[in-house]
Amino acid sequence: GESVGLHLPTLSVQEGDNSIINCAYSNSASDYFIWYKQESGKGPQFIIDIRSNMDKRQGQRVTVLLNKTVKHLSLQIAATQPGDSAVYFCAERGGSNYKLTFGKGTLLTVNP
Amino acid sequence: GAGVSQSPSNKVTEKGKDVELRCDPISGHTALYWYRQSLGQGLEFLIYFQGNSAPDKSGLPSDRFSAERTGGSVSTLTIQRTQQEDSAVYLCASSIRYRGGTEAFFGQGTRLTVV
Repeated sequence: GESVGLHLPTLSVQEGDNSIINCAYSNSASDYFIWYKQESGKGPQFIIDIRSNMDKRQGQRVTVLLNKTVKHLSLQIAATQPGDSAVYFCAERGGSNYKLTFGKGTLLTVNP
Repeated sequence: GAGVSQSPSNKVTEKGKDVELRCDPISGHTALYWYRQSLGQGLEFLIYFQGNSAPDKSGLPSDRFSAERTGGSVSTLTIQRTQQEDSAVYLCASSIRYRGGTEAFFGQGTRLTVV
C-alpha cells in the first residue's frame, strides 16, 4: 500500500504461504534494481538483483519480477518462513551518476 | 576490512553538542551513501559521494548536517548542535561504480541518541 512519509507499509502472512512484496519505481531510465532485506538491529543485506534487460530472475526461494511498462518491481518469497520476517527495500539505479535510490520499504511479518 | 565499517556503533550525546560519525567503505568502492533511519521507518537519503564528482547533498535535512569524504575513502558525517529529532540509526553504504550493476553494501549503522 501507499506509505505516508517514511512510515512503512506492512504485509502479514502465514508460515508456508507465498509472499509478494511490491515496489513502484520512479525513473524510466533506471537500468538496475535490487532487493534488500533488513532484520531488526542490522543493516540492509542484498537478496537479489535484476537488470533492465530482464523481466524475471530467480534465486533460492525468491523471484524478482520487473515490469518496465508500469515501472513496477516485485519480490516473491516462496514458502515464507519466520526467519523471513524483516523490512524489505527495493532500490533502483538510474542516471549518469549511477546513484542507487531506495524505496520506503515494506515490513513483512510471518505468523507461525 | 571485508565489509563496510561504521563507528561508533552507539553514541549518546547531549542536546546541543556536535557529533561525528565515521564510515570506512569497502576498499576500492568509489560510491558512498549516508542514510538515516528512525525506529520502524524507512531509509532517508542524506548524501551520496561518487568518485571525484561533486557530492549529491540533496537529502541533508538542514545546514547542521555536513559530510566529507577524504581521499575517496573514509567518510565523516557531522551533525552540529544536535537536537532530539536527530536521534536515529545512521547507515553508510558503499558500492563500485560499474556499468554492469552491483549492489551497495551496508554497514551495521551508528545508533545516535540525543538526550
